[in-house]
Amino acid sequence: DQQVKQNSPSLSVQEGRISILNCDYTNSMFDYFLWYKKYPAEGPTFLISISSIKDKNEDGRFTVFLNKSAKHLSLHIVPSQPGDSAVYFCAASAEDSWGKFQFGAGTQVVVTP
Amino acid sequence: NAGVMQNPRHLVRRRGQEARLRCSPMKGHSHVYWYRQLPEEGLKFMVYLQKENIIDESGMPKERFSAEFPKEGPSILRIQQVVRGDSAAYFCASSPWPGTASREGYTFGSGTRLTVV
Repeated sequence: DQQVKQNSPSLSVQEGRISILNCDYTNSMFDYFLWYKKYPAEGPTFLISISSIKDKNEDGRFTVFLNKSAKHLSLHIVPSQPGDSAVYFCAASAEDSWGKFQFGAGTQVVVTP
Repeated sequence: NAGVMQNPRHLVRRRGQEARLRCSPMKGHSHVYWYRQLPEEGLKFMVYLQKENIIDESGMPKERFSAEFPKEGPSILRIQQVVRGDSAAYFCASSPWPGTASREGYTFGSGTRLTVV
């Protein structure tokens, strides 16, 4: 039962342009959503999070938007840089889940010159 | 301040052997989580442990897999009688407490890549 879905396995974007990554979820009990970034042969690194009581959170070049009615969130990266080339995972946790996360399958982002 | 340390980085086992994966959490972190990433898939939760306690093992296969986090030493994920389908990357993460993890995410280790031949 895949509760968190990332339907785009890959995304190619030109350096300097905006990257938009999408994530859908099915469990209405999720109260925190996070994005992780992962380079090959490394562990995932926390990027940004958003609480279910908010609809937007911004940190530098990264902004996460949450649409609870649509059960959809997105990550915007502006401007995209070569170092942003990585796999991005969307993850969600429920209040009673003791910090246990459901992860999406990931989106491979490639930033081209 | 060292991060989450996992060893070995790579582990090759023949079918039927045992695999032991070790994880030392960040200093001051007493909550450890194990995740598995199969090829072309996202991370799947396996088990959540505190010192000497298994809190949530809902993601652990019912047979051959076990985990511990003793009072002293690293957390151990043990896979007995490995099969080819166990080949995956196993990641450990730690946090000071679960509430922090929900808001600020875990700190993950670099993972152990298990290959069963």
